[in-house]
Amino acid sequence: GQQLNQSPQSMFIQEGEDVSMNCTSSSIFNTWLWYKQDPGEGPVLLIALYKAGELTSNGRLTAQFGITRKDSFLNISASIPSDVGIYFCAGPNHAGNNRKLIWGLGTSLAVNP
Amino acid sequence: DSGVTQTPKHLITATGQRVTLRCSPRSGDLSVYWYQQSLDQGLQFLIQYYNGEERAKGNILERFSAQQFPDLHSELNLSSLELGDSALYFCASSVGGGQNTGELFFGEGSRLTVL
Repeated sequence: GQQLNQSPQSMFIQEGEDVSMNCTSSSIFNTWLWYKQDPGEGPVLLIALYKAGELTSNGRLTAQFGITRKDSFLNISASIPSDVGIYFCAGPNHAGNNRKLIWGLGTSLAVNP
Repeated sequence: DSGVTQTPKHLITATGQRVTLRCSPRSGDLSVYWYQQSLDQGLQFLIQYYNGEERAKGNILERFSAQQFPDLHSELNLSSLELGDSALYFCASSVGGGQNTGELFFGEGSRLTVL
């Protein structure tokens, strides 16, 4: 079945550094989504990408929908302590009629003030 | 605040027991999804309901069941609990039913501890 592979699994950075994480799949996705889960909270949608090659920003966050439709990356510029959390990529499964959202296992980000 | 309400926030119970988790979706959302998140694990999709009907099923155990009521709130029932069922259980909602856009709104979760 479809799977999403996220890397790195975890990151520990200094405040002010830029961060890059990515998500890859062996199959094509028509939509890529990036969610963030703060400690003790539910995931929150950060950015949604609907078109191959699309580059979208949300404040200090920038995400791109890979041209092959098999990958996406998320960049965070000038990280701050509140960026701590788990970042998930997700995409709708288009195999068959049973549509589900496929999730990566997440990238855990720690920021040292 | 996502607008999705889950109760209880915390629950401690013993093996073999049964619990019910409750979710109220955002106003206007017709779909409700249930996810399980164990320690250091990703989000495992359990089940989705759309306007009262089961729409999609994930890795939900036979000991677990769910339903969506006419007022669109949903309940997840977990029975014959085992230690491994200890996890965060999230409810999410969306306007549509097909997860086509994947834009889900999550509640804060119910943390279940089975002793």
